[in-house]
Amino acid sequence: ETGVTQSPTHLIKTRGQQVTLRCSSQSGHNTVSWYQQALGQGPQFIFQYYREEENGRGNFPPRFSGLQFPNYSSELNVNALELDDSALYLCASSTGTEGDEQFFGPGTRLTVL
Amino acid sequence: GEDVEQSLFLSVREGDSSVINCTYTDSSSTYLYWYKQEPGAGLQLLTYIFSNMDMKQDQRLTVLLNKKDKHLSLRIADTQTGDSAIYFCAVDGGSQGNLIFGKGTKLSVKP
Repeated sequence: ETGVTQSPTHLIKTRGQQVTLRCSSQSGHNTVSWYQQALGQGPQFIFQYYREEENGRGNFPPRFSGLQFPNYSSELNVNALELDDSALYLCASSTGTEGDEQFFGPGTRLTVL
Repeated sequence: GEDVEQSLFLSVREGDSSVINCTYTDSSSTYLYWYKQEPGAGLQLLTYIFSNMDMKQDQRLTVLLNKKDKHLSLRIADTQTGDSAIYFCAVDGGSQGNLIFGKGTKLSVKP
């Protein structure tokens, strides 16, 4: 069974640029959640996708957007990057059942200069 | 909104017990979780407790839940150097399926 994978591992961008991060969910999982973890902080919920539809969203501006594909993999897109977007971006997949464990990927470290 | 608080640091000697504490504000959370994060890695679920339970034991891990005080704790028995990591308390955020995390407690285990 393949776990949750994310790409790329590390990324460096400059202010104003756009970035796309990718996540492959664990086999059998139809739900993907994205979290932002700033240095020294706990992860903060960005949004969740269930069967290709956005299922919930945290307190992030519209320049954070996402997609989920028919194979349940997902993308996180961030436009007009700001310095404060520098963080570890974590993807988690689950079956979408209440209380079901969310399996986290290793994350993508984004640095915005 | 929901707030989850943890102390930031804990230092123990190898072989001692570690107790990591967490408080939360929303009493409607159904599931409460403990995650472990090692340097450069993602989050690993250690254990969770359902809100109608007071205690859950899983090998070296014991979770205690005091719903009245909205207090959750994680006890690690016979702490080893491999337990050194950041431990996050998290509660479910309700219908969105999201998790709300504390800032994490960095556990340092001295030989």
